[in-house]
Amino acid sequence: ETGVTQTPRHLVMGMTNKKSLKCEQHLGHNAMYWYKQSAKKPLELMFVYNFKEQTENNSVPSRFSPECPNSSHLFLHLHTLQPEDSALYLCASSQGNSGSPSSYEQYFGPGTRLTVT
Amino acid sequence: LAKTTQPISMDSYEGQEVNITCSHNNIATNDYITWYQQFPSQGPRFIIQGYKTKVTNEVASLFIPADRKSSTLSLPRVSLSDTAVYYCLVGDIISSGSARQLTFGSGTQLTVLP
Repeated sequence: ETGVTQTPRHLVMGMTNKKSLKCEQHLGHNAMYWYKQSAKKPLELMFVYNFKEQTENNSVPSRFSPECPNSSHLFLHLHTLQPEDSALYLCASSQGNSGSPSSYEQYFGPGTRLTVT
Repeated sequence: LAKTTQPISMDSYEGQEVNITCSHNNIATNDYITWYQQFPSQGPRFIIQGYKTKVTNEVASLFIPADRKSSTLSLPRVSLSDTAVYYCLVGDIISSGSARQLTFGSGTQLTVLP
C-alpha cells in the first residue's frame, strides 16, 4: 500500500466510448503524474500537475484529457481511443517542492489495465 | 534531454551482490538520479536517490562517479524476491517545469536464480 489508489484496476472499452480513470493520493503531496506503460516499452510520462499547474507532454494525443480538481485527486478522461492505447496507466504523486530532493521520490499507484477493443 | 541506457537483463544467484549500471551522458547540473523497482502488474517503487558520490540506505547503495555520467545500483545479497525490473531515472521535473525533463530508462530485468 503506497498511499496512492487508482480505480478502476481493469477497464475494457470500445473505441467510441468515453471513460475516466481516477487517482487519489492520501500522502499530502502537491504533485501528481500520469504515466503510460505499454508492453516492452519504457514508462512514458504523460502529464504532470505541480501545485495545480499542469505541465503537459506535447506528444500526448488530445483523446487523453487530464483533470486535477485538487491536490489529492487526478483524473484521466478518455474518448475515442485506439487499440494502440491499450496499456497500463499509472498514477504517481510526490511532494512537489521545487529544489527539494524529496520531491523526486514518486509514489505509484497499482495502475489501471486498459484494453481498447 | 538526459537519456539513460541500462542493460536489458541480468541474471544472478541468491546471496550474491548485484550491480546494475546506468549511463546518462547528457545529465544536467540540476538532475538527480533515482532508481525504482517494479514487479509485474504493479507500479514502480522508489529504491534510492542521489546526486553525487555514494548513497546508502537499508535496501541498496548508489555509486555516482565525479563526472555523473553514469551510476551504479548495488543490491547486496539478493534473494528470489528481488527479481524485478529496475529503472534508472534522471531528471528534474519540478524546477525545470517541463515533463520532457523526466526520462525513465528502458529498465533492467533482474532475475535471481536459486
